[in-house]
Amino acid sequence: GQQLNQSPQSMFIQEGEDVSMNCTSSSIFNTWLWYKQDPGEGPVLLIALYKAGELTSNGRLTAQFGITRKDSFLNISASIPSDVGIYFCAGRDSGAGSYQLTFGKGTKLSVIP
Amino acid sequence: DSGVTQTPKHLITATGQRVTLRCSPRSGDLSVYWYQQSLDQGLQFLIQYYNGEERAKGNILERFSAQQFPDLHSELNLSSLELGDSALYFCASSARGEQFFGPGTRLTVL
Repeated sequence: GQQLNQSPQSMFIQEGEDVSMNCTSSSIFNTWLWYKQDPGEGPVLLIALYKAGELTSNGRLTAQFGITRKDSFLNISASIPSDVGIYFCAGRDSGAGSYQLTFGKGTKLSVIP
Repeated sequence: DSGVTQTPKHLITATGQRVTLRCSPRSGDLSVYWYQQSLDQGLQFLIQYYNGEERAKGNILERFSAQQFPDLHSELNLSSLELGDSALYFCASSARGEQFFGPGTRLTVL
């Protein structure tokens, strides 16, 4: 099956620092999504990307859909304590009519005040 | 609030038992997806329903089954429960490519 490699697995950063995380895939996706999950809660959609090369921002978050369609990255600028959580990337197979998503294993972000 | 609701929030049961988890999608969404998330694991896709019909299957055990009803709510049935079935179970709904997740049901099997 498809594999999504998300890195890093975890990060400890100082408040105010910028953060970057990425996902790579063994196959092509036609949609990339980024989610944030707080402990015990459901994932919340942050950004959706639909075109190769697309760069999309949502406040302090910026994500890009890689030109090869096999990767995506998420940047968080000027991190704050509430950015703490697990960030998941997810890709949708171009050939799947079901809109089924494949998820990465997540990047756990800790922000030190 | 994503608009997706799940009940119950928590469920504690014993091995060998059977439970039913319930999900109501966002208004207008025809697709419902079920995911399992074990401790320190990512989200594992179980099954998808679209407008009452099964659309895709992932890593769903034969002991598990699901259905989607005419009012579009969905139920995930887990039977002959084992300790390893303890996990968070999420449903998500979508109209297109974006999936919106419910708050989850935490299942504990003792």
